[in-house]
Amino acid sequence: GAVVSQHPSRVICKSGTSVKIECRSLDFQATTMFWYRQFPKQSLMLMATSNEGSKATYEQGVEKDKFLINHASLTLSTLTVTSAHPEDSSFYICSAPDRGYEQFFGPGTRLTVL
Amino acid sequence: AQSVTQLGSHVSVSEGALVLLRCNYSSSVPPYLFWYVQYPNQGLQLLLKYTTGATLVKGINGFEAEFKKSETSFHLTKPSAHMSDAAEYFCAVSEYGGSQGNLIFGKGTKLSVKP
Repeated sequence: GAVVSQHPSRVICKSGTSVKIECRSLDFQATTMFWYRQFPKQSLMLMATSNEGSKATYEQGVEKDKFLINHASLTLSTLTVTSAHPEDSSFYICSAPDRGYEQFFGPGTRLTVL
Repeated sequence: AQSVTQLGSHVSVSEGALVLLRCNYSSSVPPYLFWYVQYPNQGLQLLLKYTTGATLVKGINGFEAEFKKSETSFHLTKPSAHMSDAAEYFCAVSEYGGSQGNLIFGKGTKLSVKP
């Protein structure tokens, strides 16, 4: 099956700093990628849809100025958490659909903001 | 709008016993349904999916699920639980009925397997 990677897998930062998370489709092209956030013991909630060559679309309640998304190429989307605060600590997961009926998920990035 | 309800946030079974995880969905279009498994601090792995055709879907690791339109259900089963099955399981429906839409997830069911 297709492979989606995320980097880094784990990051710890101080409050107020910015953190960039990369999501790559390794063996297929993805014009669309999705970013989810998962709080402890909860389900995945869609944050935004990343579109190659155009602006991302954000779900209601997600601050677009805080969670910057850039879909730079057909294989790379980045999520930047700007001025991170402890409440942003979470597990961030990206996914990308292939041409079939399946989305492939990255392994996730654990963000801890001190 | 689509939605998914998973009954039981925590299910515990003995090793070798039947596993049954319940999922009901709501969708205004023909649903594309999925079951994913998540191990601690890892991403999601697809167990199985229903798109069209046969309503009984077989997946990896001995799991299967049956799409029942009349009951709007897509329950996940496995005849005999193994210790390695202990994980979090998520049922999901694809928005807009296709792969290009994002997935709507249920709240998840944590499966524990007792020796």
